[in-house]
Amino acid sequence: DGGITQSPKYLFRKEGQNVTLSCEQNLNHDAMYWYRQDPGQGLRLIYYSQIVNDFQKGDIAEGYSVSREKKESFPLTVTSAQKNPTAFYLCASSIAGRRNTQYFGPGTRLTVL
Amino acid sequence: GQQVMQIPQYQHVQEGEDFTTYCNSSTTLSNIQWYKQRPGGHPVFLIQLVKSGEVKKQKRLTFQFGEAKKNSSLHITATQTTDVGTYFCAVITQGGSEKLVFGKGTKLTVNP
Repeated sequence: DGGITQSPKYLFRKEGQNVTLSCEQNLNHDAMYWYRQDPGQGLRLIYYSQIVNDFQKGDIAEGYSVSREKKESFPLTVTSAQKNPTAFYLCASSIAGRRNTQYFGPGTRLTVL
Repeated sequence: GQQVMQIPQYQHVQEGEDFTTYCNSSTTLSNIQWYKQRPGGHPVFLIQLVKSGEVKKQKRLTFQFGEAKKNSSLHITATQTTDVGTYFCAVITQGGSEKLVFGKGTKLTVNP
């Protein structure tokens, strides 16, 4: 089946630890995105990548890092510098092009204790 | 940066009542997309509007794009419990990037 997978669905970490969230897609999409969702805040863009080995900061990139070594994969690292990391993280992908729709993965709910 | 205002933030209806959510922008939009997120789920694309004054229907859902391409609405006729969730509008940012900016969403609850 084609789609986007994110793992794990739930993740718990201690404060001060870095954590990496996985995002894989087999849709052959060029563009991939990471969003953070908090209650009542909608979706806020963290990072996005339009092509392999290239990525750009979104609106709330501080405390996060990404890599795009393969077309299929766009992992997100939540570093200890992120002041309030507890949130629902969504990965999405799209065909390159400004009018193309985004397909979302199931999300990872991160809780930092 | 590009912003889009979405209202209302919450809407509670009785099953069978209609529901409408609105998105407004201060600038002219090239297009607008609508997504639905079920409770505990992820956003799913519903539709994209491109043309001024465009109206599209999907069963009980009617989507409109304003004549000036600065606003859009999603109307659901005779809501059902399966309609519960949060509805987001999203617009392409100005410039050459492919970033989407999402409204904060309207959370719909339906009382059976």
